[in-house]
Amino acid sequence: GENVEQHPSTLSVQEGDSAVIKCTYSDSASNYFPWYKQELGKRPQLIIDIRSNVGEKKDQRIAVTLNKTAKHFSLHITETQPEDSAVYFCAARSNTGGFKTIFGAGTRLFVKA
Amino acid sequence: DAGVTQSPTHLIKTRGQQVTLRCSPKSGHDTVSWYQQALGQGPQFIFQYYEEEERQRGNFPDRFSGHQFPNYSSELNVNALLLGDSALYLCASSFGQGLWDQYFGPGTRLLVL
Repeated sequence: GENVEQHPSTLSVQEGDSAVIKCTYSDSASNYFPWYKQELGKRPQLIIDIRSNVGEKKDQRIAVTLNKTAKHFSLHITETQPEDSAVYFCAARSNTGGFKTIFGAGTRLFVKA
Repeated sequence: DAGVTQSPTHLIKTRGQQVTLRCSPKSGHDTVSWYQQALGQGPQFIFQYYEEEERQRGNFPDRFSGHQFPNYSSELNVNALLLGDSALYLCASSFGQGLWDQYFGPGTRLLVL
């Protein structure tokens, strides 16, 4: 079945450094790749997304890249700040036979001041 | 403009009981998806409702069922509760069965004793 693998499971960086989270998906029909940030006890919040017809998208300190051939996509956070500390989830959605979003297991990001 | 709302916020049940969780979508949205998020895991897709019908289903047993009402709100029912059903249950709403982004509600935390 469909699967999304996410690495690393935990990531610790110094404030100001960059953080990179990588995901791999299995369903070649996936065409939409959102990233969510979830703070402790709160709901997942969409932070950036990319569609399959685009290779890269940037929004201030956050960027996402997509390699459809390799079925890889990545989240890049530059100039990290303590408030970036949270769990980040990648996801992949296919519209084959209806829309279903498959999530990765999450990356816990710690930004040390 | 109200966002996605869920009720109740917390719930404690015992094994074998039944539970009903409720979700009201964001204004303008017509599609509701339900997810189960176990502690330390990513959200797992349960099913999606659109036009009052279940359109897509994840790998969950028939004990999990749902309904969507004409006003687009939705219920998730779980019968014969197991200890392993303890989780945060999230609903997410979107427009047009997922053509656009989905927005999550705050979740219902279910504890099965």
